[in-house]
Amino acid sequence: GAVVSQHPSRVICKSGTSVKIECRSLDFQATTMFWYRQFPKQSLMLMATSNEGSKATYEQGVEKDKFLINHASLTLSTLTVTSAHPEDSSFYICSARDPGRPTEAFFGQGTRLTVV
Amino acid sequence: AQSVTQLGSHVSVSEGALVLLRCNYSSSVPPYLFWYVQYPNQGLQLLLKYTTGATLVKGINGFEAEFKKSETSFHLTKPSAHMSDAAEYFCAVSTNTGNQFYFGTGTSLTVIP
Repeated sequence: GAVVSQHPSRVICKSGTSVKIECRSLDFQATTMFWYRQFPKQSLMLMATSNEGSKATYEQGVEKDKFLINHASLTLSTLTVTSAHPEDSSFYICSARDPGRPTEAFFGQGTRLTVV
Repeated sequence: AQSVTQLGSHVSVSEGALVLLRCNYSSSVPPYLFWYVQYPNQGLQLLLKYTTGATLVKGINGFEAEFKKSETSFHLTKPSAHMSDAAEYFCAVSTNTGNQFYFGTGTSLTVIP
């Protein structure tokens, strides 16, 4: 099956710093990638949809200046949490769409972000 | 628009007992339906999916689900629970027009020895 690799799996950062999370499709070209946020014991909430070579589409209520998304190539999308604060601590998960298998979504392993 | 409702945020079953996790969906177009499993601090693993064709879908680890259009349901079942089945389960709906997924709130399955 398709593999999506997300890195890092865990990161701890200080308040006010920025953190970059990478999402890579290893064996397919992902024209579209999705970023989700998951709070403890809750479901996944879609933050934004990124399309290769264009600006990301953010869901209502998600600050695009705080959560910077870049999808510069067909195999890599990045999420940068800028000026992180403790309330940004969460589990972030990416997923990628394989045009050859349009009915599925392939998920990364997730990133546990802790802001101290 | 699409949405998913999972009844029961927590389900406990005895080892060897039937597992039944409920999922109802709402969709204005023919839905694609999915069940994912998530272990702590990990991503989502696909258990099974329904897109078209046979309404009874078999997945990995002995799970299966049946798409019932009249009931707008896609309940997940497994005849005999195993300790390793303890995890969080998410039902999701998508369509063939956008591949955006809408997730239910999840059901935490506990298996009692």
